[in-house]
Amino acid sequence: DIQMTQSPSTLSASVGDRVTITCRAGQSINSWLAWYQQKPGKAPKLLIFKASSLEGAVPSRFSGSGSGTEFSLTISSLQPDDFATYYCQQYKSYSWTFGQGTKVDIK
Amino acid sequence: EVQLVESGGGLVKPGGSLRLSCAASGFTLTSYTMNWVRQAPGKGLEWVSSISSSGSYIYYIDSVRGRFTISRDNAKNSLYLQMNSLRAEDTAVYYCARESEYSSSLFGYWGQGTLVTVSS
Repeated sequence: DIQMTQSPSTLSASVGDRVTITCRAGQSINSWLAWYQQKPGKAPKLLIFKASSLEGAVPSRFSGSGSGTEFSLTISSLQPDDFATYYCQQYKSYSWTFGQGTKVDIK
Repeated sequence: EVQLVESGGGLVKPGGSLRLSCAASGFTLTSYTMNWVRQAPGKGLEWVSSISSSGSYIYYIDSVRGRFTISRDNAKNSLYLQMNSLRAEDTAVYYCARESEYSSSLFGYWGQGTLVTVSS
């Protein structure tokens, strides 16, 4: 199985901050990486696929980059609705695997 | 509108069995890859099982292979997860998820989840 490692585990930030979350794959996954957002008590929501493509309704302040083994999710100006936990997921090969999550909370 | 509604969770003793159901509406189950993803309390997401649109391809995470069985009832437009020989480490919220429009390997639509607790 391909191991996915996110950093940091928790990130404290303020509204308006630029924040970046990193995801590292245990082997090359090309660009087969997705990002999900999850709020407490809710199901996850797909934000980004193929490392940098935004899902249709996702605000443009979200962006993704990377390929191979190193990836990042950036929120250019953090909004109140963005405080949540973010997960990366590789879909290069079964078993699909997720990172352990990064919680973005209010500083 | 795509809707997924899970049911069947509950408290079960170690070694017991449970069958989860996921009722789908707004689309035809046989046209999409369907999945089960779980989340242990306070923990991250873990993919559990997938069934392809044709039903010909079924996959499981190693930790449940041989104990869990994914299936579907096309007439009822419902997905199932039969869970046998349950262990404490199977305790989690179980989500039913449909593939996204962008890839059959992505989870584009999710249900609200159903909690399975394995405890004596």
